[in-house]
Amino acid sequence: NAGVTQTPKFRVLKTGQSMTLLCAQDMNHEYMYWYRQDPGMGLRLIHYSVGEGTTAKGEVPDGYNVSRLKKQNFLLGLESAAPSQTSVYFCASTLGGNTDTQYFGPGTRLTVL
Amino acid sequence: AQSVTQLGSHVSVSEGALVLLRCNYSSSVPPYLFWYVQYPNQGLQLLLKYTSAATLVKGINGFEAEFKKSETSFHLTKPSAHMSDAAEYFCAVSPQDTGGFKTIFGAGTRLFVKA
Repeated sequence: NAGVTQTPKFRVLKTGQSMTLLCAQDMNHEYMYWYRQDPGMGLRLIHYSVGEGTTAKGEVPDGYNVSRLKKQNFLLGLESAAPSQTSVYFCASTLGGNTDTQYFGPGTRLTVL
Repeated sequence: AQSVTQLGSHVSVSEGALVLLRCNYSSSVPPYLFWYVQYPNQGLQLLLKYTSAATLVKGINGFEAEFKKSETSFHLTKPSAHMSDAAEYFCAVSPQDTGGFKTIFGAGTRLFVKA
């Protein structure tokens, strides 16, 4: 099992550009999450999904969109990147809800110039 | 609203010394509590989890944490630090009473281990 994988690992964007981050899990987990990690702030939830075809907003959803067309994939989109979106992005998944162990991907380091 | 506070953004210990990383939470009912570890350039991985079965929880790599309801604390300890323990540690809380799907993470504590 690969667990949770994320692509790309690194990306540099210019302000206003768009991109999509891909998260894939092979554990048949129902729930998937996107977080951003910034120094001194821990992890903050951007969006999450409780199953195929569903998405919901987390703590910091503005400027991001998500889609869960297939159970194993959870996509995070930035329509018009801003420097404030420079961060490390982590995807995670759980079998059940938030009381289950979260399995994290290795992260995507995004820089917006 | 639930919250979690980790005291000390940086902790430095000598190899072989006791490791104590502090975590306090705020919740109207006892939540599920987690400690995750993050090694450089990696994602987070679970160290241990409290699910109300036992107040003293043992995790991987010799770590353990004790749930103290009266103090609303869930401090992480390890009797003897090893160089390989150098990492960032995150305490997290998942409320049981909301039926939601949100886990709240602390800001993290970076552990340095001196030879």
